[in-house]
Amino acid sequence: KAGVTQTPRYLIKTRGQQVTLSCSPISGHRSVSWYQQTPGQGLQFLFEYFSETQRNKGNFPGRFSGRQFSNSRSEMNVSTLELGDSALYLCASSLDAKGRAGNTIYFGEGSWLTVV
Amino acid sequence: AQKITQTQPGMFVQEKEAVTLDCTYDTSDQSYGLFWYKQPSSGEMIFLIYQGSYDEQNATEGRYSLNFQKARKSANLVISASQLGDSAMYFCAMREGVQGAQKLVFGQGTRLTINP
Repeated sequence: KAGVTQTPRYLIKTRGQQVTLSCSPISGHRSVSWYQQTPGQGLQFLFEYFSETQRNKGNFPGRFSGRQFSNSRSEMNVSTLELGDSALYLCASSLDAKGRAGNTIYFGEGSWLTVV
Repeated sequence: AQKITQTQPGMFVQEKEAVTLDCTYDTSDQSYGLFWYKQPSSGEMIFLIYQGSYDEQNATEGRYSLNFQKARKSANLVISASQLGDSAMYFCAMREGVQGAQKLVFGQGTRLTINP
């Protein structure tokens, strides 16, 4: 069974550019969420999508956006990149159902973004 | 507001010894889930174990067990017979609510080093 797949794994962007990161959840999982990890702030929740609708949103500026497609795949976009956006971006998926298996949240390998 | 506290920034353990990683949490919800993840230097967040607040028995997954003490609001991870490959960052996380709203709050993590 394939895990959560994130692309690209590594990328370097220039300040002011925009970036799109992609996430394919585990087959059958309907919930996809995104996190930003930095040495200073740790792991912070960005947003969560369920059935193509944003269900939760963290405390990030509007430059950070996302969407989910009908096949549950998700993308997140960061516009007008700043140096502080350099981070590991992690995608997670969940079945979002009752029981232990339904509640487990699995993560992908992450996308390392460097803004120069 | 929910909060996770991991008081051990780093731990050094001899190979084959058991190790306990501490985690305390704060929430006003009666229904919540607790997670432990392992993050090697590659960045991937690997799911280890899950405990629901209403689960009567402590969760176990192979060499991992979760010592859940609800009254103390603690959810310590126990790794039996540690191996060199266990060296990594370990994160405790919590989600309020048993189903829906797949939003995790993370602790600051514990860096575990296994010595041969």
